[in-house]
Order: sequence, then structure tokens, then C-alpha cells
Amino acid sequence: DTGVSQDPRHKITKRGQNVTFRCDPISEHNRLYWYRQTLGQGPEFLTYFQNEAQLEKSRLLSDRFSAERPKGSFSTLEIQRTEQGDSAMYLCASSLEGAHSNQPQHFGDGTRLSIL
Amino acid sequence: QKEVEQNSGPLSVPEGAIASLNCTYSDRGSQSFFWYRQYSGKSPELIMSIYSNGDKEDGRFTAQLNKASQYVSLLIRDSQPSDSATYLCAVNGGEDNYGQNFVFGPGTRLSVLP
Repeated sequence: DTGVSQDPRHKITKRGQNVTFRCDPISEHNRLYWYRQTLGQGPEFLTYFQNEAQLEKSRLLSDRFSAERPKGSFSTLEIQRTEQGDSAMYLCASSLEGAHSNQPQHFGDGTRLSIL
Repeated sequence: QKEVEQNSGPLSVPEGAIASLNCTYSDRGSQSFFWYRQYSGKSPELIMSIYSNGDKEDGRFTAQLNKASQYVSLLIRDSQPSDSATYLCAVNGGEDNYGQNFVFGPGTRLSVLP
């Protein structure tokens, strides 16, 4: 059973650089989510796709962040002009589409971003 | 703004005891509730889901939901040192939730002492 895969696992970059992360969801899952998690906090929602359509973005997501899921399979999350506050674990999750919002989300191992 | 609250802990219990983890949520229309376990440096792992009032048991884990009180809990029986982790409560699908994202609580850190 192939789970959610994220790449890279770790990314260290200098402030001001652009970074891109990739997520490959569980193959039959048509919903894909990006979250950000900082130490001592729960995951914080960033954005969500159903197939290739980006249906929701958090109001916390600045215009430096962009996400794509061009073919409804893998997704990328790009952060432009990184800032110190972007240092966090970026988690991807996927789920099946279900009625009444009741499908559990399955998480990848995350990409840990460190901004120098 | 939908909120999910948990006692951050740490909650310490001796090995073999029952650990009780609690979560409250603000959106009365919330429909689905999940407990995730997260080991340090790892991603959240689904433990239980519950959708209806009452208890749901799975092995050593029991989830309890009371929608009238906007309260969900997780009981871990016969706690083991390997249960030491952060437990995240997640809530999905309410009146304020115009998407499908989960709202997570900050997590409760559980420590099971041998």
C-alpha cells in the first residue's frame, strides 16, 4: 500500500530564495491538502484540491505561496522570497471524496523547511 | 473562526493506566471528528474517527463524542510507553466550514511512564 509521498524531506535555504515541494497522494485519492505545522502546534490548513481544481485557500496564505495540481495527481507547493517565518514542517494529506465531509485524511512524512 | 481546543499537557500516566484526552470545538455544526497520533518529528497518523454521539471502540482506544457539549475525547486503556506521543484532535465539516479542510487542535502531549 503506497502512502502519501513528499519530497524533499528536508530543505535548507537562505532567506529570499524560492523553494518548491512536491506531494504524491495515495493513487485513488482525488482530494489533496497542504498544511503547515510549527513546533508545539497542530497542523494549519493552507490549501485544498479536488482533482486539479484548487477549491480553497486559507486567508493566512500570502501571495508568496502558490500551489498547483496540474493533472489531478501530484501537487507542488512553491514559496517565493522565503522569510524566516516560513520555517516549518509542510505536510501534505490526501483523502477520498465522500459525503458529509467524513473522509479521513492520510498524511505524508512532510517537508521540513529551514530558512537561514 | 472555527476553533479546536486541547489541553497541551504534558499528561503523564503510569504504564497500564487509562489515559484520557479531551477536545472541545467551537462550531456547533461540525460533523466529523478524528484523533491523530504524532510522534516527535513524524507526521500525524490516524487513530480513530467518530461521527455520531456516543462511544466508538477500536482495540485499546475508545473515542467519545457529545455534540450537545461540543466535546470529544479519546481514552487509551492499558497505556504503554509506545503510546507516548502528541495526540491531535481534528474537526471537519461544519456551518463555518465552506471547504473540506480539517481544523486541528494544538495537541496533547502524552507521556506513559514505565
